[in-house]
Amino acid sequence: DAGITQSPRHKVTETGTPVTLRCHQTENHRYMYWYRQDPGHGLRLIHYSYGVKDTDKGEVSDGYSVSRSKTEDFLLTLESATSSQTSVYFCAISDFQRKYNEQFFGPGTRLTVL
Amino acid sequence: QKEVEQDPGPLSVPEGAIVSLNCTYSNSAFQYFMWYRQYSRKGPELLMYTYSSGNKEDGRFTAQVDKSSKYISLFIRDSQPSDSATYLCAGSEGGKLIFGQGTELSVKP
Repeated sequence: DAGITQSPRHKVTETGTPVTLRCHQTENHRYMYWYRQDPGHGLRLIHYSYGVKDTDKGEVSDGYSVSRSKTEDFLLTLESATSSQTSVYFCAISDFQRKYNEQFFGPGTRLTVL
Repeated sequence: QKEVEQDPGPLSVPEGAIVSLNCTYSNSAFQYFMWYRQYSRKGPELLMYTYSSGNKEDGRFTAQVDKSSKYISLFIRDSQPSDSATYLCAGSEGGKLIFGQGTELSVKP
């Protein structure tokens, strides 16, 4: 998985609790992304980062925040988890050296909100 | 309307069959088109990409883009059970990829 780890890999939590997912890369890539994957919707972009402390919203950013204080780490926070945020979350990285923007994906985090 | 539409399947074919996977898109700004393959409980990995219109071949795989009709295709020749996976098409715009829903393919021995 191209030097990308995600933690935790599985998590079960209750509605209303805060949750933080971590993405860690060892590739020194500038761009990092958080996606969620749901049946019938495919991969949808939540937030992305184009450098340390530089982030922007994606298609489905409501209810999520991100932070990137170091090149290698990108955190996704659900401030108050809801059942609709039950999903598989993927982190991706890109160095954007190629114009087609090849993204490398992590192994995913399976989150269940009860 | 989603920017990239893809029939989710599932699609089941016998080993050795030619497989055709298709997507349509609505965003005229897309210049690069990608196909990702995702095995069960794994992250997606890039299979092929094409620029603008035309064909690209890599072994048993051929990717086609027709910008006039906004149609993307992936063909798999001599399909193998190891090709069983979900295939996701995507369009590239700036720093972002917009994905289709993915098509689940099963190749039966």
